[in-house]
Amino acid sequence: QQPVQSPQAVILREGEDAVINCSSSKALYSVHWYRQKHGEAPVFLMILLKGGEQKGHEKISASFNEKKQQSSLYLTASQLSYSGTYFCGTRTGNQFYFGTGTSLTVIP
Amino acid sequence: DAGVIQSPRHEVTEMGQEVTLRCKPISGHDYLFWYRQTMMRGLELLIYFNNNVPIDDSGMPEDRFSAKMPNASFSTLKIQPSEPRDSAVYFCASSPIGGPGETQYFGPGTRLLVL
Repeated sequence: QQPVQSPQAVILREGEDAVINCSSSKALYSVHWYRQKHGEAPVFLMILLKGGEQKGHEKISASFNEKKQQSSLYLTASQLSYSGTYFCGTRTGNQFYFGTGTSLTVIP
Repeated sequence: DAGVIQSPRHEVTEMGQEVTLRCKPISGHDYLFWYRQTMMRGLELLIYFNNNVPIDDSGMPEDRFSAKMPNASFSTLKIQPSEPRDSAVYFCASSPIGGPGETQYFGPGTRLLVL
């Protein structure tokens, strides 16, 4: 029931782009994206609701394909501050699960 | 607003001892969540409350774990007796009206080590 994220880890140079995927085996009502820096709590990035919407936050955007039960997070022109572990969170009914996490490291 | 407050921030205890973790949610938030995070299992939802009532406790690992929310501004997660495998970071999060599908604001976490 835990959504699966891919890739598990990625290393980027500053300015490069990345895509993180989140797949669920269950029909989804909503998808959340969070970023967690080492030793800190997860911080909310954005939420996408059923309806296949797409959202953006500065140079980070996301899409939600409810038919495929998938969401993708797009990071463009990555900055050093983007480093951290990215989690998707999915809601199915009253159940809520975090994904397996993707470690993103941006190097100069 | 001060954000979600958790105490203690760090706890070291011996196997068999009782451990109580505390959380103060953001004022006005109707939902409160308890999570556990380990390297092996990632982030796990243990239990969540709506208006102080437990809604889903299916993530509570076993009877040694219990959670209460006596009022809108305070919740506890208790482990009795504690075991080394309970060592983890425990996060509390709160959310405004709208349920688990809404934005969750996390506290700083309690790092628990059971020896």
